[in-house]
Amino acid sequence: AQKVTQAQTEISVVEKEDVTLDCVYETRDTTYYLFWYKQPPSGELVFLIRRNSFDEQNEISGRYSWNFQKSTSSFNFTITASQVVDSAVYFCALTKNNAGNMLTFGGGTRLMVKP
Amino acid sequence: NAGVTQTPKFRVLKTGQSMTLLCAQDMNHEYMYWYRQDPGMGLRLIHYSVGEGTTAKGEVPDGYNVSRLKKQNFLLGLESAAPSQTSVYFCASRIDYTGELFFGEGSRLTVL
Repeated sequence: AQKVTQAQTEISVVEKEDVTLDCVYETRDTTYYLFWYKQPPSGELVFLIRRNSFDEQNEISGRYSWNFQKSTSSFNFTITASQVVDSAVYFCALTKNNAGNMLTFGGGTRLMVKP
Repeated sequence: NAGVTQTPKFRVLKTGQSMTLLCAQDMNHEYMYWYRQDPGMGLRLIHYSVGEGTTAKGEVPDGYNVSRLKKQNFLLGLESAAPSQTSVYFCASRIDYTGELFFGEGSRLTVL
């Protein structure tokens, strides 16, 4: 069975602070994919990033960066210089590399960025 | 650019009533999913489909049925609604098992 844990249920920061959202996963597979999604207050789910298990390079996209470490089964997400518009619920998810498998989501982390 | 469309967006049911949620995607995706989202529990998979005519159970399938008669549509049915099925339901699709999910806007269902 696979599992995704986002231990931080809520985080509150002040604008311009950096913040890291933790994601820890469990899987017995050697090949898998990890994802992050954002759900702003409007409710839609927005894809942010996909990373396969063979690519441990960190990725940076503007103020967003992701740190994938297989040794600790973690795929953490950092927002640099947070903004009020970053306020949302963020979900980490995991899927195995075989046909038909479901995407398992963590419980989500609600990030509140205050002005 | 419709993407994934869910209907209806809101619905209130009485216990025991039945209803169907429709999900339609125009991206020619093979894989389609129904999730429910409850406070503090993230997204939990109800049922999914890997192609036209196929369906499979997810984590929380009890009380729901699905059908995928056409590739572009994935229907979620509640035969006898219960208050525990009050939730926000999301449909999603993806091109294959490695791709990102594209989500609909969600359907808020309340069962009284």
